[in-house]
Amino acid sequence: AQSVTQLGSHVSVSEGALVLLRCNYSSSVPPYLFWYVQYPNQGLQLLLKYTTGATLVKGINGFEAEFKKSETSFHLTKPSAHMSDAAEYFCAVSDRSGDKIIFGKGTRLHILP
Amino acid sequence: IAGITQAPTSQILAAGRRMTLRCTQDMRHNAMYWYRQDLGLGLRLIHYSNTAGTTGKGEVPDGYSVSRANTDDFPLTLASAVPSQTSVYFCASSAGRGVYNEQFFGPGTRLTVL
Repeated sequence: AQSVTQLGSHVSVSEGALVLLRCNYSSSVPPYLFWYVQYPNQGLQLLLKYTTGATLVKGINGFEAEFKKSETSFHLTKPSAHMSDAAEYFCAVSDRSGDKIIFGKGTRLHILP
Repeated sequence: IAGITQAPTSQILAAGRRMTLRCTQDMRHNAMYWYRQDLGLGLRLIHYSNTAGTTGKGEVPDGYSVSRANTDDFPLTLASAVPSQTSVYFCASSAGRGVYNEQFFGPGTRLTVL
């Protein structure tokens, strides 16, 4: 069975600093991996996804994530945080034949001026 | 293009009452999902449907039912609401399974059961 662990329910970074949100997954088969973002009072939006091929995936708004099979990780990064990045971020995993996506519990990102 | 619409936006409901949350998508997606979002618990899947006419249970299906009479609509019914069903409910859709399983979310329904 697939599962996702997000380390840190809250992360604070200063504006302009590196953003690093951690995600580890458990999957018995090669996974599909996703990062979603949720702005206040809105639904989730896809940031990026890994399916096959290049392990460094670039998404919207300057975010990227690297699939590391040996570490079972899919951490999300952004070189320079903006105030508009303040939101909740969800890592998710879907197996290759699954009907469902399993979401992590989310990490709320706070941007300090 | 509206994407996914949900109604109502919010609702306060007395315990024991029946309630149907509506979800409609215009993307002709095969699969649809209902999640509940609770603080500290993330999103949990309630029910899903891979295609019109079929439904399946997710992680927390008790107290909820769904139907999928056509491609566009996927209503979620609480037969007899209880306070523990107070939550924000999100409907989502995707073109299909596996590599196509990128999910698109509606704006949510905030439900309070008193």
